[in-house]
Amino acid sequence: GAVVSQHPSWVICKSGTSVKIECRSLDFQATTMFWYRQFPKQSLMLMATSNEGSKATYEQGVEKDKFLINHASLTLSTLTVTSAHPEDSSFYICSARDVASGEGQETQYFGPGTRLLVL
Amino acid sequence: LAKTTQPISMDSYEGQEVNITCSHNNIATNDYITWYQQFPSQGPRFIIQGYKTKVTNEVASLFIPADRKSSTLSLPRVSLSDTAVYYCLVGDITGFQKLVFGTGTRLLVSP
Repeated sequence: GAVVSQHPSWVICKSGTSVKIECRSLDFQATTMFWYRQFPKQSLMLMATSNEGSKATYEQGVEKDKFLINHASLTLSTLTVTSAHPEDSSFYICSARDVASGEGQETQYFGPGTRLLVL
Repeated sequence: LAKTTQPISMDSYEGQEVNITCSHNNIATNDYITWYQQFPSQGPRFIIQGYKTKVTNEVASLFIPADRKSSTLSLPRVSLSDTAVYYCLVGDITGFQKLVFGTGTRLLVSP
């Protein structure tokens, strides 16, 4: 199947700093990518939909000025957590939709996740 | 988006068959049913996808009744490494519809 990578896999930062997380589709083009956040023992929560060449669409309750999303190419989307605080510590996962996938096949590929710890 | 309901947790033993049922009463005509597996600190991994009747691949089977209001993921002869959280999702794969995850089912396989 297609591969989605994330970088970094984990990051520790001080409160008040900004952190950028990259999501790349390695062998396919993705006009749409999704960003999720997952707290321990909880399900994935969709944060935003990242569209190549246009503004991201944020889910209700997600601060767009806090979580900046840029999708500048068909293979790269970035999530920047601005002025991070301890409550932003979480597991961030991206996914990418492969428009070439057909019926019965995997159509949305997930990255391995990025664990963020804000001290 | 169709809401899904799954058991919160299930226990099994190695070598047994495990069936996890998901309810999706409001499934739409264009919606497909997809199951993902997630291990701790990893992204979800695709298991199987179907629209109706039965689908089988090398790791699982998916049973979907005619009314499509539910589906059952069947894992044959589970092993310890199948301990994970399993998510059932429903959505239109032909578009760019976002996937909304439910609570998932935490499966614990014991020796």
